[in-house]
Amino acid sequence: QVQLVESGGGVVQPGGSLRLSCEASGLQFNKFGFHWVRQAPGKGLEWLTYIRHDGGRKDYAASVQGRFTVSRDNAKNILLLEMSSLRPEDTAFYYCAKDYGLVAATPAFDYWGQGMLVTVSS
Amino acid sequence: SYELTQPPSVSVSPGQTVSIPCSGDKLVDKYVAWYSQKPGQSPVLIIYEDTKRPTGIPARFSGSNSGNTATLTITGTQAVDEADFFCQTWDSSNEWVFGGGTKLTVL
Repeated sequence: QVQLVESGGGVVQPGGSLRLSCEASGLQFNKFGFHWVRQAPGKGLEWLTYIRHDGGRKDYAASVQGRFTVSRDNAKNILLLEMSSLRPEDTAFYYCAKDYGLVAATPAFDYWGQGMLVTVSS
Repeated sequence: SYELTQPPSVSVSPGQTVSIPCSGDKLVDKYVAWYSQKPGQSPVLIIYEDTKRPTGIPARFSGSNSGNTATLTITGTQAVDEADFFCQTWDSSNEWVFGGGTKLTVL
């Protein structure tokens, strides 16, 4: 059974940095791409970034390009999101999500983590 | 950037059929996925590649995609189906896009 468990959320001051982790189990981690998606409280879903199964391709939404960095450790089955220059509008629940496609990216995310709250406030 | 538009809310009586539209430019040329999200929970994939249901998703959920509109249809709606529903697609600029979401109320 596929499980995605996130950690690292919390409160950070504007301009600060935070690193989120997503540990995966129950799947062949190195065969799938992963995404980060966020949801401001009471709002809709916003895709942030994608990393290919081998880490060789990374895509970012314009809203986080240059501030957020996605990476993965296929030996440890861990997905990471490094966030810097954080702003109050980055306050949201952050989810890691597995791409449905084997090796290639698809427009469908079939497993999601439980989500963790990141609050950017002084 | 590509945009998907959904109505903010729809309502349905138990046992009836409800359709939730998702519109975007030439959406028929793209694959669409749909997610259900209940309060305090993570999204759940219920439709992918326009019409396919993942294992475990009830058959009362179906999807279609034609022209500029993809549609999620729930046949024989149950109270347990009350949730927020989001459509999603993948743009050629390598961005994944979500619709704004539709709150389904089962009256």
